[in-house]
Amino acid sequence: KNQVEQSPQSLIILEGKNCTLQCNYTVSPFSNLRWYKQDTGRGPVSLTIMTFSENTKSNGRYTATLDADTKQSSLHITASQLSDSASYICVVSATGGYNKLIFGAGTRLAVHP
Amino acid sequence: NAGVTQTPKFRILKIGQSMTLQCAQDMNHNYMYWYRQDPGMGLKLIYYSVGAGITDKGEVPNGYNVSRSTTEDFPLRLELAAPSQTSVYFCASGLRGLVSYEQYFGPGTRLTVT
Repeated sequence: KNQVEQSPQSLIILEGKNCTLQCNYTVSPFSNLRWYKQDTGRGPVSLTIMTFSENTKSNGRYTATLDADTKQSSLHITASQLSDSASYICVVSATGGYNKLIFGAGTRLAVHP
Repeated sequence: NAGVTQTPKFRILKIGQSMTLQCAQDMNHNYMYWYRQDPGMGLKLIYYSVGAGITDKGEVPNGYNVSRSTTEDFPLRLELAAPSQTSVYFCASGLRGLVSYEQYFGPGTRLTVT
């Protein structure tokens, strides 16, 4: 069964600190893995997309890693800001005609001053 | 570009009522999707469309219908609302052709059925 599991479910950190969010998946056949940021009351917005051959990708203070052998990914946030408070969703795409996406439940991050 | 727009933002329905959630995109994307997001769960695909006149079921299509008469619009119809359809609904669009098959999401419609 295609599944995406994220940990932790929620996380509280102080402004300026770093954090790492985890994602494990069992999706086949694998196409790519994405991380989305979802602010409260808004739609998800893409942060990074990685294909099978990529093992790291950065977008500003966000760095995603992918280990396709162990089927694990992480999202590292550096020097957190209050605006980083959001849910972070790991999404894995299976190959197929309509670009099927399997969504994780997300990690809810709260950055406190 | 406005991107993906959805109306209404919020709606309360009584059991058995019907309504249509509107979705429009101005990016000339051929792919469009409807998802629902329940608390503590990942988004689930309801229906999708690969172009005008072509639609197909996703994971959770029961209780919903869609149509795609134009590239821009992809409305979602609830015929007989049930409490189980209380959720946040997201429309998304994407363009096939590039490696990423990126999807762009609308702001969502929060629906409560009582």
